[in-house]
Amino acid sequence: SQQGEEDPQALSIQEGENATMNCSYKTSINNLQWYRQNSGRGLVHLILIRSNEREKHSGRLRVTLDTSKKSSSLLITASRAADTASYFCAFEFSPVTNAGNNRKLIWGLGTSLGVNP
Amino acid sequence: DTEVTQTPKHLVMGMTNKKSLKCEQHMGHRAMYWYKQKAKKPPELMFVYSYEKLSINESVPSRFSPECPNSSLLNLHLHALQPEDSALYLCASSQPTSGRGNEQFFGPGTRLTVL
Repeated sequence: SQQGEEDPQALSIQEGENATMNCSYKTSINNLQWYRQNSGRGLVHLILIRSNEREKHSGRLRVTLDTSKKSSSLLITASRAADTASYFCAFEFSPVTNAGNNRKLIWGLGTSLGVNP
Repeated sequence: DTEVTQTPKHLVMGMTNKKSLKCEQHMGHRAMYWYKQKAKKPPELMFVYSYEKLSINESVPSRFSPECPNSSLLNLHLHALQPEDSALYLCASSQPTSGRGNEQFFGPGTRLTVL
């Protein structure tokens, strides 16, 4: 299966703590992205890391990518109650049949994060 | 305007009804997507339109019929649905030629219930 895997499935922490979630994949990728989804709503793009990058920061978010291990991690520092959401990784690959404008994202199963005030 | 809008927010329909979901974006994106999402699951890709042409159909049953009237609009026509089609239907858009990669912008979704 091309689907990404995420762990943990669920994570519960206290406000102020850091949250780390991991994503693994099986194919070669162009880039890997992280999205957040608040309960029953649309997804919001958080950060994109390209296959030739190893680490990227955006505010309280830090993403790492290890292409040799085919894995990525998302770290949220100093968590807040408002960070409570589901977090999905999604990666883009470009096989021959889906070249050019037909690229699609392959999604991980998601991590449900609960931050307690 | 960095928003993708979807109407309606909620839809309840019987198995014999015909209804349509609508999606609109004004970011100049030339790729638009329909996803189906069940509770606590990742979104499942249904269709991709690229430059107003259907480029990906993920073997979706014919009771779902997509339409892209122009570069800003995407419709999903529904007919003779089954109760298992009840889900959150998400629309997204992206700029396929962007050097940023395929970052997708999502609408808030339509919560569909089939009775």
